[in-house]
Amino acid sequence: NAGVMQNPRHLVRRRGQEARLRCSPMKGHSHVYWYRQLPEEGLKFMVYLQKENIIDESGMPKERFSAEFPKEGPSILRIQQVVRGDSAAYFCASSKGETQYFGPGTRLLVL
Amino acid sequence: GENVEQHPSTLSVQEGDSAVIKCTYSDSASNYFPWYKQELGKGPQLIIDIRSNVGEKKDQRIAVTLNKTAKHFSLHITETQPEDSAVYFCAATIQGAQKLVFGQGTRLTINP
Repeated sequence: NAGVMQNPRHLVRRRGQEARLRCSPMKGHSHVYWYRQLPEEGLKFMVYLQKENIIDESGMPKERFSAEFPKEGPSILRIQQVVRGDSAAYFCASSKGETQYFGPGTRLLVL
Repeated sequence: GENVEQHPSTLSVQEGDSAVIKCTYSDSASNYFPWYKQELGKGPQLIIDIRSNVGEKKDQRIAVTLNKTAKHFSLHITETQPEDSAVYFCAATIQGAQKLVFGQGTRLTINP
């Protein structure tokens, strides 16, 4: 009865590199959400996906950020050409209804 | 869009006393209000939630109240224990919108 799984837990990238964050939802959950948390702040919604579909990406930066949730495999949040301002904790949540359950997060540090 | 304000930002109480955290929301269409507890280095953990057709919900030492007219909801923790120390977040969502809008968080410290 595993919960939401995220990997890696910590990721260090240099400016200009790419970051790939993975999220496996809870068993039976078909909805995946990504949130970003800056230090000492609340979580900010980024994107909501169902299998093979992006439902709401209103919180995603217009450039460099993309997300997918393929038919097979985990959901991926991809950040291209990272900048220092991308340093944050990125949390994935999953649900099969209203209630969202969060993973442990990936802490991204951009040097 | 929806906006959620949370107060206080920090709260310190003696062990055994009660703690109350308050949130207000802006969109009257919001109808689902969860509360999450986040410990250092971990992801948010759902502790209780309430829907707009209910005014109060209780689970052991934790209770949440909702005032739809005033658009505010509160978390009440009674008989606080050291393990209650954490950051607490309120959130709101509109039915069908799915995305959660979070408050800024309250750092709760329980003093032994």
